[in-house]
Amino acid sequence: DAGVIQSPRHEVTEMGQEVTLRCKPISGHDYLFWYRQTMMRGLELLIYFNNNVPIDDSGMPEDRFSAKMPNASFSTLKIQPSEPRDSAVYFCASSLVGSEGEQYFGPGTRLTVT
Amino acid sequence: SQQGEEDPQALSIQEGENATMNCSYKTSINNLQWYRQNSGRGLVHLILIRSNEREKHSGRLRVTLDTSKKSSSLLITASRAADTASYFCATDADYKLSFGAGTTVTVRA
Repeated sequence: DAGVIQSPRHEVTEMGQEVTLRCKPISGHDYLFWYRQTMMRGLELLIYFNNNVPIDDSGMPEDRFSAKMPNASFSTLKIQPSEPRDSAVYFCASSLVGSEGEQYFGPGTRLTVT
Repeated sequence: SQQGEEDPQALSIQEGENATMNCSYKTSINNLQWYRQNSGRGLVHLILIRSNEREKHSGRLRVTLDTSKKSSSLLITASRAADTASYFCATDADYKLSFGAGTTVTVRA
C-alpha cells in the first residue's frame, strides 16, 4: 500500500482565501483523523471519522473549518476564509481500530497564510 | 489540549549511548503510544503499551508504564545517527489520542 496520501504538500495562500486539503487513507482503514501541528500548540486532533461518519469534531477551532468524508477513500479539510493564524502543518492519519491501535500518518500539508 | 508531557524537551547523546525520555499524563488511559517524527515528515508509530502492561520491548526500544504515577518512559539502546528525531508520547483516553510536546533527540556521530 502507498500509505496515507495527502495533497497538496505545500500551500501558500492569502488571507481570506479558501483552502482545501485532501487525504486518501490506507485502504481498509475505518478511522480517519485530521491533526494540526504548530510550534505553539503542538499536535492537536481536529476531527475524526469512523466509517465515513464524523464522530468527534470538538477540536475544530471554529466555524471557518469544515471536514468531509464522502467515501471511504477520500476526505477533505476546508478552511474558509483562511487567516494567518491557520498557518501550520496539517496531518491526516488512518487506522484500523481508532485510538486503540497504531495510527498511520501522511506526510502532511504545510499551509502558509499570508 | 496536551495530556502528555515529555521530559526532557531536548536530548543530545553520542552514537552508541542510550537515550531515555519520560512522559507524564493526567487522566486514566486505555493505552499509551510512542511515535517518532523526523524533520519535515509525518509521525511513525513505534510502540503501544496497554494500561494493564508494565513493560514492553521492540528491537532497541523499551517502554515502561506506571499507571500509579501516571508516567511512562522510552529507552532507546545503542543509539544511531538515524535515531535523530522528535519523539512523542500519545495517551488514549475518550477514544482519542492526545500528544505531548515531544522530546527532540540528537545523536552525534
